[in-house]
Amino acid sequence: RKEVEQDPGPFNVPEGATVAFNCTYSNSASQSFFWYRQDCRKEPKLLMSVYSSGNEDGRFTAQLNRASQYISLLIRDSKLSDSATYLCVVSYNNDMRFGAGTRLTVKP
Amino acid sequence: DTAVSQTPKYLVTQMGNDKSIKCEQNLGHDTMYWYKQDSKKFLKIMFSYNNKELIINETVPNRFSPKSPDKAHLNLHINSLELGDSAVYFCASSLEGWARYEQYFGPGTRLTVT
Repeated sequence: RKEVEQDPGPFNVPEGATVAFNCTYSNSASQSFFWYRQDCRKEPKLLMSVYSSGNEDGRFTAQLNRASQYISLLIRDSKLSDSATYLCVVSYNNDMRFGAGTRLTVKP
Repeated sequence: DTAVSQTPKYLVTQMGNDKSIKCEQNLGHDTMYWYKQDSKKFLKIMFSYNNKELIINETVPNRFSPKSPDKAHLNLHINSLELGDSAVYFCASSLEGWARYEQYFGPGTRLTVT
């Protein structure tokens, strides 16, 4: 089992749609969780950290389920500019692991 | 005023050559990293440096060696390049050890070994 697993997609959705991604992790002692965004041929950039109580940033909502060892990202009212690859990141002490990413394409 | 910069952006070289990639950050961060992203887009940590001290060294071939002349720089040297080294290499930095803090990535260096 991979340490951090994501559905690679691609997810193709129309503008305005709501889309959700899940990410599972194998290390139950993992401490910190993040979602990064990577545009084509660009560097990854932090989208949001994921807190135990769940957190929201505009159209983006992240949740953590420690019991089931997964984190999720919900995007509401999708925009064309949301098209990118979304990377799930899980860390334990000084060890950080990236998922392979979920590719999202938002179409007009 | 680029936060994390890398040079060169593209590097094409032949097998067996030795090459270096430079990385600089102007954020005042304590920790810097090198990542490799292969053709399957999987991002994997290679090295990290904290105040000139190597704190993580993943199981990469010893042909790869990080060198940090100061806190703002972490260069990557690669000896005897192989075809499998072709990938995009990203430098990154963070305020402290990476467990809790955002990492800022450089634009990447696309290495092609022929």
